[in-house]
Amino acid sequence: GENVEQHPSTLSVQEGDSAVIKCTYSDSASNYFPWYKQELGKRPQLIIDIRSNVGEKKDQRIAVTLNKTAKHFSLHITETQPEDSAVYFCAAVITGNQFYFGTGTSLTVIP
Amino acid sequence: DADVTQTPRNRITKTGKRIMLECSQTKGHDRMYWYRQDPGLGLRLIYYSFDVKDINKGEISDGYSVSRQAQAKFSLSLESAIPNQTALYFCATSDGTPAEQYFGPGTRLTVT
Repeated sequence: GENVEQHPSTLSVQEGDSAVIKCTYSDSASNYFPWYKQELGKRPQLIIDIRSNVGEKKDQRIAVTLNKTAKHFSLHITETQPEDSAVYFCAAVITGNQFYFGTGTSLTVIP
Repeated sequence: DADVTQTPRNRITKTGKRIMLECSQTKGHDRMYWYRQDPGLGLRLIYYSFDVKDINKGEISDGYSVSRQAQAKFSLSLESAIPNQTALYFCATSDGTPAEQYFGPGTRLTVT
C-alpha cells in the first residue's frame, strides 16, 4: 500500500512567521492530497486539498504545493497566528481506495 | 460537526471484554470509515465501507470487526479487548472518492 512520511513532527514558529510542513508519498497512483487540522481535543477537519492535475492551490494564508515527479507535497502557512497552533496531518489517496495519513506535525505559534 | 456522532465518547473496559463503538451520520454519505489515533502514529485505518454491502479491511484490522447496519450506521467491535487497543477512535464519512472526510468527535477507549 501507500506510505506517507511527514516532517517535521514538531514545529515552533514566532507569530507572524511562516510555517512549512512536508510530506512524501510512495505510490504514483495517488491523486488526491488533503491536509487536516486537529486542534487539541477536537476532531480533524479539512483545511485544504489538492488534486494531482494541479501544482499549487491557495486559500488566504494557507497554500499547498504538489510535485508529482518527486512525489512530495507541502503545506505553507503564512503570517502565522496563535490559533494556527494544532496538529496537522497530510494524506495521500488513490481514487477508489483508502486514505493514508502521515504521522502528524504539532505546530506551536509563539505569541 | 453534529452530522457525525459517536457513542460512547469515553469508555474504560477490562482486558478480555467485548466492546462496541457506534457511529451514526445524517450527512447521507455512502462511505464510512473507522480510524484509531495514537500519539506519534497519526490516523490509521481499521475498516472502511463504501456502501451497506461493502466492508473492507484497513491497515490495522486485526482484533477488530465491523458491522454496517444501514447507510447511516457503522459499528466497530473489539471482540476481546487488550491494553494496546487503548486509543482514540474516530469514525468518518465521505460522499465519494477522493473527497473530504468528515470526522466524528471521537471515542476515547481505555483497556485496563
